[in-house]
Amino acid sequence: DIVMTQSPDSLAVSLGERATINCKSGQSVLYSSNNQNYLAWYQQKPGQPPKLLIYWASTRASGVPDRFSGSGSGTDFTLTISSLQAEDVAVYYCQQYYSIPPTFGGGTKVEIK
Amino acid sequence: QLQLQESGPGLVMPSETLSLTCTASGGSISSSGYYWGWIRQPPGKGLEWIGSIYYSGGTYYNPSLKSRVTISVDTSKNQFSLKLSSVTAADTAVYYCAKQWYGGSSGWFDPWGQGTPVTVSS
Repeated sequence: DIVMTQSPDSLAVSLGERATINCKSGQSVLYSSNNQNYLAWYQQKPGQPPKLLIYWASTRASGVPDRFSGSGSGTDFTLTISSLQAEDVAVYYCQQYYSIPPTFGGGTKVEIK
Repeated sequence: QLQLQESGPGLVMPSETLSLTCTASGGSISSSGYYWGWIRQPPGKGLEWIGSIYYSGGTYYNPSLKSRVTISVDTSKNQFSLKLSSVTAADTAVYYCAKQWYGGSSGWFDPWGQGTPVTVSS
């Protein structure tokens, strides 16, 4: 299984400031034949199911605000919230779909400072 | 707009079989190119993929659970189902169903059902 490691476990950011979440995969999730990174990001608010934010490491899902962006390649990836809003308080997860089983990171909790 | 809804018992006795069903509305699970998956989340913990099924019946499971998992599909009812046998307290979790967009070996999940909590206890 590919182990996904997120950091930090939690972070507190002031409203309007940038939040950065890191995700490291135990092996590369870059598929050389199509140059795609097989990585997704989700947002989970309390009492709700996860919501897809990003796939192919940097493609925003439909309806996701453009303050959310994904970057990185190979084994190191970042989810950035450019200007934190109150409604962004949540736990964020990365997930690789390069190999079976698909695996998730442990989550990063984002709070307001 | 596709919506998914899980249903099934909220309490299961140890050593018995957990059975859940996911019903799709606003879209068909017979759409080609997509799988349909089950994912679980123990209380206060992260996400674990259980397995996925194609509308034609093809399945693949998490090796860590494979010996205990069966996923089936009923296209006439627009449903797919999960059975997990020989459950223990470690299987206590919120169970989600989700549409899986196939990308390579597996894929990403969107949308998700609201989830159903299952407790294993006597």
